[in-house]
Amino acid sequence: DAVMTQSPLSLPVTLGQPASISCRSSQSLVHSDGNTYLNWFQQRPGQSPRRLIYKVSNRDSGVPDRFSGSGSGTDFTLKISRVEAEDVGVYHCMQGTHWPPTFGQGTKVEIK
Amino acid sequence: QVQLQESGPGLVKSSQTLSLTCTVSGGSISSDNYSWNWIRQPAGKGLEWIGRIYTNGNTHYNPSLKSRVTISLDTSKNQFSLKLSSVIAADTAVYYCAREFARWGQGTLVTVSS
Repeated sequence: DAVMTQSPLSLPVTLGQPASISCRSSQSLVHSDGNTYLNWFQQRPGQSPRRLIYKVSNRDSGVPDRFSGSGSGTDFTLKISRVEAEDVGVYHCMQGTHWPPTFGQGTKVEIK
Repeated sequence: QVQLQESGPGLVKSSQTLSLTCTVSGGSISSDNYSWNWIRQPAGKGLEWIGRIYTNGNTHYNPSLKSRVTISLDTSKNQFSLKLSSVIAADTAVYYCAREFARWGQGTLVTVSS
């Protein structure tokens, strides 16, 4: 299985300041079809996960543009340009390139 | 907009079979060839993909659970279902259904008791 490792696991942030979460895969996530199937999810307290980003950098409909995804190969990053109170929660990365799909451990974002 | 809702017993005895249903509303489960997924999350832990079924009936299961998992589709009821046999305490988790990974249900807690 492709092991997804997120860092940090806990991220205290100041409102209005940027935040960055790293996700590293044990294998390259470039698929034979040329795509890189790396997703990011937000899970607010008490809620189900919501996909924010698919294929590394594509924002889902309705996702604020303060969220952005980048990276390639084995290293990926989710950035929040200016953290808002509603961004509190756990963020998960997930790869869909290798069988089976696997998730990172999750990064808890909280306000300082 | 498509919505998904999990349902089923919240308590299952050890060694028995966990059975959950996901009811899809706001769209037909038969339209397009989406994957309909089950994912679980033990308390305080990360997400684990269990398996999926396509509209054409093809299924794929996580190898770690494959021997115990069955996912099926009921197009007449616009539902898909999960069965996990021989459950143990480690199967206690919130179980989610999802269309692809873009639409998720609210999740349902299943506790395995001894």
